[in-house]
Amino acid sequence: NAGVTQTPKFRILKIGQSMTLQCAQDMNHNYMYWYRQDPGMGLKLIYYSVGAGITDKGEVPNGYNVSRSTTEDFPLRLELAAPSQTSVYFCASSRTSGITGELFFGEGSRLTVL
Amino acid sequence: DAKTTQPPSMDCAEGRAANLPCNHSTISGNEYVYWYRQIHSQGPQYIIHGLKNNETNEMASLIITEDRKSSTLILPHATLRDTAVYYCIVRGYSGGGADGLTFGKGTHLIIQP
Repeated sequence: NAGVTQTPKFRILKIGQSMTLQCAQDMNHNYMYWYRQDPGMGLKLIYYSVGAGITDKGEVPNGYNVSRSTTEDFPLRLELAAPSQTSVYFCASSRTSGITGELFFGEGSRLTVL
Repeated sequence: DAKTTQPPSMDCAEGRAANLPCNHSTISGNEYVYWYRQIHSQGPQYIIHGLKNNETNEMASLIITEDRKSSTLILPHATLRDTAVYYCIVRGYSGGGADGLTFGKGTHLIIQP
């Protein structure tokens, strides 16, 4: 039981490049989330999903896209990377909503855009 | 969601109880209080949550005041591995409640040897 797995752990992008951050969970959780954390700050919600085929925007969705074709996977796509997207990205999942169920987080993906 | 206020940092001696305060004076009746912690840039880890009654689990105790305007997370015997940023979050059901939790800056707890 690996929990929430994120890849890659580190990545450097050039301005304008695109990439996908992968997130997979093996706990059969319906709810999945993507957060970003800038240095010294808390976590901000980018996108979330309540089940396969259903996604919705969080607080800071601009510049990102997501898809949820399976229960297990929730990839985050960065189009036309910008220096403002330099951050640590965390994926999380929960069996129920974050209200009554705990969120399980991955180890993070550290992205630098130069 | 109600706003929370936490001290930016706190120190505690190893082996002593660490008491982390959180103010949430605008909390409404259906909002829960959650605590998560983040150790050295790892993903946050769930600690405990409660609505109105005090709660205890293997990691910590959560004391919520009777008026629910503040709470305290207690780590009974702090160890060096408890050094982390601790987040107090207030959240209630809204539109299904599926849109996750909002993490502020939290309290950086430093356990001193």
